[in-house]
Amino acid sequence: AQSVTQLGSHVSVSEGALVLLRCNYSSSVPPYLFWYVQYPNQGLQLLLKYTSAATLVKGINGFEAEFKKSETSFHLTKPSAHMSDAAEYFCAVSEVTDKLIFGTGTRLQVFP
Amino acid sequence: NAGVTQTPKFQVLKTGQSMTLQCAQDMNHEYMSWYRQDPGMGLRLIHYSVGAGITDQGEVPNGYNVSRSTTEDFPLRLLSAAPSQTSVYFCASSWGTSGEETQYFGPGTRLLVL
Repeated sequence: AQSVTQLGSHVSVSEGALVLLRCNYSSSVPPYLFWYVQYPNQGLQLLLKYTSAATLVKGINGFEAEFKKSETSFHLTKPSAHMSDAAEYFCAVSEVTDKLIFGTGTRLQVFP
Repeated sequence: NAGVTQTPKFQVLKTGQSMTLQCAQDMNHEYMSWYRQDPGMGLRLIHYSVGAGITDQGEVPNGYNVSRSTTEDFPLRLLSAAPSQTSVYFCASSWGTSGEETQYFGPGTRLLVL
């Protein structure tokens, strides 16, 4: 069965610092992997997704993630945090169908 | 395009009451789904549909019913509300069922069951 683990329910960084949000997955077949962002009192929107093309995936707002099969990881990074990046971030995995399995989420705080 | 719309935005129910959460999309998407979001648990799939007339259970279906009579609409029914169903409910839709499709989420319905 597929599953997703997000290490760290809360991450705090200073504005301008590197953002690293961790995601490890479990899947019996090559997965599709997603990062979604949720701003306060809003629905989720797609940041980026891996669909077996390039292993380094670039998304919106300067975020990127690298698919590492050997580590079963899909960590999300951004070189320089901005105050507007404060949100909750969800990693998700799907296999054959569009049944997304979500991680428990990581809340990112950005301090000035 | 309005995208995915959900009504109501907020609802308070008493234990035992029933209600329907509405979800509609205007993108002609085949796939629609309902999730609930609870603190520390991420989003969990309740029910999903791969097309009009076809629905199936997700991870946490108990206490909920769905139907899909049209491509556009996918209502979620709470048969007899319980405090454990206090949550934020999200509807989502996507083009197909290949697994790599982007899902588009509605703004959510916040439900409080007393």
